[in-house]
Amino acid sequence: EDKVVQSPLSLVVHEGDTVTLNCSYEVTNFRSLLWYKQEKKAPTFLFMLTSSGIEKKSGRLSSILDKKELFSILNITATQTGDSAIYLCAGLLDSNYQLIWGAGTKLIIKP
Amino acid sequence: GAGVSQSPRYKVAKRGQDVALRCDPISGHVSLFWYQQALGQGPEFLTYFQNEAQLDKSGLPSDRFFAERPEGSVSTLKIQRTQQEDSAVYLCASSLGNQPQHFGDGTRLSIL
Repeated sequence: EDKVVQSPLSLVVHEGDTVTLNCSYEVTNFRSLLWYKQEKKAPTFLFMLTSSGIEKKSGRLSSILDKKELFSILNITATQTGDSAIYLCAGLLDSNYQLIWGAGTKLIIKP
Repeated sequence: GAGVSQSPRYKVAKRGQDVALRCDPISGHVSLFWYQQALGQGPEFLTYFQNEAQLDKSGLPSDRFFAERPEGSVSTLKIQRTQQEDSAVYLCASSLGNQPQHFGDGTRLSIL
């Protein structure tokens, strides 16, 4: 059965800290790994990773995929209270539409 | 529109009532998805449309759930004879080609 597992389930850090969120996957017909940030409303897209070992960056956020070890990490440096959210990762299948979602990591940034 | 729009934002219904949830995708997006998200969980796939064709409905939990997209744009998710376990946030997403899915704010459904 396809599954995506995220860790930790929750994380509390202080503003300015660096955090690393983990996502491991066992997905047949895997195509890409996606990261989303979900605050109180819609998940908003962060990254889509298809190739192994190539880091994607957007400001203080970065992510990388390891297709050999079947995991991805999302790094956030110099965290701010606005980074508080649930971070979801999902495996995209070759069908190009099916997403297998993890349960998310709830990140809380304390001022 | 600029983003995916869902309505209503909140819906409270009594057990046994029928409900209809609306999704207005980003203009021009061919693909449309419905998900169910329980508290503390990731979204669970319900169904997928490509234009007006419903290509995958394998995630619909029972025959009480029905989705349509008759003109390939706006979609409606209908739940008949609602039950308490139907309480969840229902998310709609749309995408174009191989691009990532963009989500609406969801409809929070509470069944009393």
